[in-house]
Amino acid sequence: QLQLQESGPGLVKPSETLSLTCTVSGGSISSSSYYWGWIRQPPGKGLEWIGSIYYSGSTYYNPSLKSRVTISVDTSKNQFSLKLSSVTAADTAVYYCARHLRAVRGLITDLYYFDYWGQGTLVTVSS
Amino acid sequence: DIQMTQSPSSLSASVGDRVTITCRASQGISNYLAWYQQKPGKVPKLLIYAASTLQSGVPSRFSGSGSGTDFTLTISSLQPEDVATYYCQKYKSAPFTFGPGTKVDIK
Repeated sequence: QLQLQESGPGLVKPSETLSLTCTVSGGSISSSSYYWGWIRQPPGKGLEWIGSIYYSGSTYYNPSLKSRVTISVDTSKNQFSLKLSSVTAADTAVYYCARHLRAVRGLITDLYYFDYWGQGTLVTVSS
Repeated sequence: DIQMTQSPSSLSASVGDRVTITCRASQGISNYLAWYQQKPGKVPKLLIYAASTLQSGVPSRFSGSGSGTDFTLTISSLQPEDVATYYCQKYKSAPFTFGPGTKVDIK
């Protein structure tokens, strides 16, 4: 059974960088069939896709966060990571990692729905 | 970028009622739409993909329909365990935008 588990500090100071890691177990992050994504949810609010990465390092980012986001992958550890720089209180949220299916049409890569999610981790931005 | 809207934002219905939630995309997305259920304090769960395909293990009282810009999620007979917020999401091409959610509770 595939499992994803987020880890990282629960408290980050304003203007600093938020760093989280998602560890994948029960399956390989190096599968050609999947991308791995980050989604966040501010308290009491809706879901926002942050970005996604393939095991090769290919990434897609939400344009609204692109200037502050870096997602990386470590296939040797079956992990992928999120860095969000210059955080403010507005970045306080539960951060989820998740898997989505990849399909290729010629030179175009399509990414599908999120079928497996981690439990989420609350990150609070506060001094 | 394509925007996703949902209506209503919340609803209250009785056990056994038929419930319908609408999701609209600002541009046509064919059937590349998923629905998620998020119970209070829990992780979102995939209910439906490809607009109308039920994820394995999801009760048959849930159904989805639509194509292009207009989609619906229907619960044929609302049960107490269906109290949750429901989100639609477009996929296939980035950004993978979620709708704002529809909160469903029991009257």
